[in-house]
Amino acid sequence: GQQVMQIPQYQHVQEGEDFTTYCNSSTTLSNIQWYKQRPGGHPVFLIQLVKSGEVKKQKRLTFQFGEAKKNSSLHITATQTTDVGTYFCAGPNETSGSRLTFGEGTQLTVNP
Amino acid sequence: DTEVTQTPKHLVMGMTNKKSLKCEQHMGHRAMYWYKQKAKKPPELMFVYSYEKLSINESVPSRFSPECPNSSLLNLHLHALQPEDSALYLCASSRARDSGSPLHFGNGTRLTVT
Repeated sequence: GQQVMQIPQYQHVQEGEDFTTYCNSSTTLSNIQWYKQRPGGHPVFLIQLVKSGEVKKQKRLTFQFGEAKKNSSLHITATQTTDVGTYFCAGPNETSGSRLTFGEGTQLTVNP
Repeated sequence: DTEVTQTPKHLVMGMTNKKSLKCEQHMGHRAMYWYKQKAKKPPELMFVYSYEKLSINESVPSRFSPECPNSSLLNLHLHALQPEDSALYLCASSRARDSGSPLHFGNGTRLTVT
């Protein structure tokens, strides 16, 4: 079945360092979504990418969708303590688009 | 702040209790979802309602019973739960039941079964 893999599982950085999480799907995706979940909180939608090779920016966050629409990345420049949390990618399930297949998430901690 | 409201925030119940989780949204979304999330794991889909009709049940045990009284409300009735059902229960809504509609999650109910 379809798999969405995310690496790394954990990342510890010093404040001011950059951070990247990678998402790889076993199947081509019509779109990919990214969510952030703060410790003790709930997932919050960040962005959706639809087009092959698409790049979108939100302040210090840069999101990319691969040319083959099977991989994606989230890059944070100059991390801040407010970036702490778990970042999940999610793509439509190949058999049922109304189901989202979530990656396992990357848990980011930032040391001040 | 979230536009999807869930109550209660925390719930402790015994294995013989009956309780209900409630969810409300006023964004005019036509799809509503229940997810279960264990610590350090992604959300796991339980049920999907589209236009107030149950469209997906991910083989969830019958001790979990969803209900959608109207387009804004979603309930999850709990009965005879097991300790392994302890988790964060998240309600979500989306504009429509399609892959292009991002999910808006509520704050969740942290459930402990004793």
